[in-house]
Amino acid sequence: GAVVSQHPSRVICKSGTSVKIECRSLDFQATTMFWYRQFPKQSLMLMATSNEGSKATYEQGVEKDKFLINHASLTLSTLTVTSAHPEDSSFYICSASQVNLRGYTFGSGTRLTVV
Amino acid sequence: AQSVSQHNHHVILSEAASLELGCNYSYGGTVNLFWYVQYPGQHLQLLLKYFSGDPLVKGIKGFEAEFIKSKFSFNLRKPSVQWSDTAEYFCAVNAYNNNDMRFGAGTRLTVKP
Repeated sequence: GAVVSQHPSRVICKSGTSVKIECRSLDFQATTMFWYRQFPKQSLMLMATSNEGSKATYEQGVEKDKFLINHASLTLSTLTVTSAHPEDSSFYICSASQVNLRGYTFGSGTRLTVV
Repeated sequence: AQSVSQHNHHVILSEAASLELGCNYSYGGTVNLFWYVQYPGQHLQLLLKYFSGDPLVKGIKGFEAEFIKSKFSFNLRKPSVQWSDTAEYFCAVNAYNNNDMRFGAGTRLTVKP
C-alpha cells in the first residue's frame, strides 16, 4: 500500500533556530499534501495545503513566513519552522493524496520541542 | 507506542444501508480516541472524539462510535448512510500522556446511490 515517510520523528531545537520536516511519498506520486498540527489534548488543525509546483495555501491564522512549505516534486513536501519559539513545540503530521485524489496516507508525525 | 488498526480497507454500501467501521488500538493505558473523515479533495475533518465519560459518543452527520475498553475498540457506526458519506475515514489514537497521534490506515467508504 501507499507509504508516506515523515522525518524526523522527533527533534529538539534551540529557540531562534529553524527546523525542516520532510514528508516523502515512497511509492506513489502525491499531487497534494496536507500539513497538520496538534495542540495538546486537541484534535488536529490543518495548517496548509500544498500542491506540487505551486504555492501552499495557508489556513487563517497560520503565518506563512514562519511555516515555510515547499512542494517541489511529486514525492516530497517540506515544512520549515523558521525562528522557532517554545510555543511552536507541537506534533506535526503530513498527509499525502495520490493523483486524482484517490486515497490519503499519513506520515508518522514529528514531535518538535523548542527549548 | 500505540498503534491503530482499521481492518476494512474499502467498504461499498448502498444508500440507506447501515455502516460499521472497525478500529482497534494497542495501548494499555488511558487513551483519547478520534474518528476523522476526509472527503475527496478536502482536508481532514473531525467526526467525533472520546476523551472520557459516556463510551457511546455522538458526532456530526449522524455518526456515532462506541469505546469498548475491554476490546480496545472504537468502532464507528451510522444507521443509514447517504451517497454524500462517500469519503475516507480514519481512526486515531493518542495516549493520555503522549500527544503524538497515531492514525489507522484508513477505510474508504463508497456509497452507491
